[in-house]
Amino acid sequence: KQEVTQIPAALSVPEGENLVLNCSFTDSAIYNLQWFRQDPGKGLTSLLLIQSSQREQTSGRLNASLDKSSGRSTLYIAASQPGDSATYLCAVRVLYGQNFVFGPGTRLSVLP
Amino acid sequence: SQTIHQWPATLVQPVGSPLSLECTVEGTSNPNLYWYRQAAGRGLQLLFYSVGIGQISSEVPQNLSASRPQDRQFILSSKKLLLSDSGFYLCAWSDKGNGQPQHFGDGTRLSIL
Repeated sequence: KQEVTQIPAALSVPEGENLVLNCSFTDSAIYNLQWFRQDPGKGLTSLLLIQSSQREQTSGRLNASLDKSSGRSTLYIAASQPGDSATYLCAVRVLYGQNFVFGPGTRLSVLP
Repeated sequence: SQTIHQWPATLVQPVGSPLSLECTVEGTSNPNLYWYRQAAGRGLQLLFYSVGIGQISSEVPQNLSASRPQDRQFILSSKKLLLSDSGFYLCAWSDKGNGQPQHFGDGTRLSIL
């Protein structure tokens, strides 16, 4: 059974710092991995999608990498801003069925 | 462009009352549809998914049910709510194809009294 974990559970950084969020999954049999952002009381906003055959994806100040063989993905945020404060979740699309399995999220606070 | 609508945004219901949450998708056809629950301090739990009209797969045994009466409509229901049904309910869709991303609605905050 696929399990997804995220470290750290919470992170607080001063504005302007570069930071890395980690996502680990136990089964490398995945189609893709997706990173989301969730603001308090809101739905999930898709940030980046990495297919299993890809190594990384970039969008603006965000860069996500995928190492499928080791079951790891990282989300790199450059020059963090207070507006980046949110919970960041990763999810993998498993090869069997139509399911996505989510991690518990990392709660990020960027202090001005 | 595609959009997803969920309603209501918030709902307060007494224990034992029925439930109906609705989700509709616009701008796409024959999507996969999903219902998730997010309990306080916990991750997203997949409740149901559907690959087509009338086709529902349940991931977690519970007193909830789902239906897909139309291609882009997904309904989450209960005949009698429990206190443990409180949470944040999210609907999502994805196009067919294994490499497709998921897109989420704004969610419904359900409080059971």
